[in-house]
Amino acid sequence: DIQMTQSPSAMSASVGDRVTITCRASQGTNTNLVWFQQKPGQAPKRLIYAVSNLQSGVPSRFSGSGSGTEFTLTISSLQPEDFATYYCLLHHSYPLTFGGGTKVEIK
Amino acid sequence: EVQVVESGGGSVQPGGSLRLSCAASGFTFSDHYMDWVRQTPGRGLEWVARSRNKADGHTTEYAASVEGRFIVSRDGSQNSVSLQMNSLKIEDTGVYYCVRGPRGTTGNDLYYYYMDVWGKGTTVTVSS
Repeated sequence: DIQMTQSPSAMSASVGDRVTITCRASQGTNTNLVWFQQKPGQAPKRLIYAVSNLQSGVPSRFSGSGSGTEFTLTISSLQPEDFATYYCLLHHSYPLTFGGGTKVEIK
Repeated sequence: EVQVVESGGGSVQPGGSLRLSCAASGFTFSDHYMDWVRQTPGRGLEWVARSRNKADGHTTEYAASVEGRFIVSRDGSQNSVSLQMNSLKIEDTGVYYCVRGPRGTTGNDLYYYYMDVWGKGTTVTVSS
């Protein structure tokens, strides 16, 4: 099975900060990488698909990049509504694998 | 409006059974794979099972942790997908989400719809 290591597991940041979250896969993949945002008491919401494609309606401050075994979610200027937990998902093979999550908290 | 709505969660003793259902609306259900994903306190988000679309014969995939105990099935006439959970364990406790999957395995059919629609979830508690 492919393992996904997401880092950091938690972070504190201020409004306006640039935030970077990384997922590393134990095996290389192509474009089968998705990013989700989850707020307390809510279902996950898709932000990015196929590594770098922005979901319709998601603000352009969110972006995704990467290839091979390392993928990154960047929030260019953190807004109050962005404080949440973020997950990556690799769908290269079965079992589909989520990263462990990154909780972004207010500094 | 495109949506999926789960039902059937509840409390059950270890070794018991529970059947979750997911009603889909607003899209051509037969075109899409459908997934079940759960969220547990100890293990975060975990993919559980997949039912492929009509074109791919409604074949299924399971996580190793539920293989042989859970069965995913679809009712095309009702636009619904179910998760029959047997021999439940304490570690199966969590929120179970029904999620819309892709329409195929290549190109836009794969990427554009990949886990793009989630239900609100239904809670399963396995406890003695």
